[in-house]
Amino acid sequence: DQQVKQNSPSLSVQEGRISILNCDYTNSMFDYFLWYKKYPAEGPTFLISISSIKDKNEDGRFTVFLNKSAKHLSLHIVPSQPGDSAVYFCAASTRTSGSRLTFGEGTQLTVNP
Amino acid sequence: DTAVSQTPKYLVTQMGNDKSIKCEQNLGHDTMYWYKQDSKKFLKIMFSYNNKELIINETVPNRFSPKSPDKAHLNLHINSLELGDSAVYFCASSQDLRGDTQYFGPGTRLTVL
Repeated sequence: DQQVKQNSPSLSVQEGRISILNCDYTNSMFDYFLWYKKYPAEGPTFLISISSIKDKNEDGRFTVFLNKSAKHLSLHIVPSQPGDSAVYFCAASTRTSGSRLTFGEGTQLTVNP
Repeated sequence: DTAVSQTPKYLVTQMGNDKSIKCEQNLGHDTMYWYKQDSKKFLKIMFSYNNKELIINETVPNRFSPKSPDKAHLNLHINSLELGDSAVYFCASSQDLRGDTQYFGPGTRLTVL
């Protein structure tokens, strides 16, 4: 039972363009969402998060949008840079039940120069 | 200075052996975790400890036993290794049980022959 899904295993964009990574979830109890970035042979690195009381959170080139009614969130990267090429994981948690993060399967982003 | 470190980075061993993976964090966090990333790339939580106390114990075979000598260390001991245990194991830590932002180690790639 995969509660967090990233349906696109890969995405390729040109440098300077926008990258949009999508994530869907099924558990309506999730109230906190995170994006992690992972380079090969390294651990995931926290990128940005959003609480369910918000619908948008922005940090520099990265913006996360949350649509609770659709149980969908997306990560926008603009402008995309070659150094953004990595696997991006969406994760969700229920803050009331503590620290259990449920991860999606990841999307490999490739930014071409 | 590495925040979350794991040793070894690679571990190749025979079926039936017992092995340990060590994890240390120097962030002063109270909560530590073990995750398993299987061949399908899903990151799934195995255990979490808060101040040396077991908090989360997912449906993991009891051949896996975490040990937390102090809150900066969470080691993973695996008995009677099986082929299906081959995966990348990630240690992580967070400030507290809310686990909003978890910081990951570089991972240990375990290969069971």
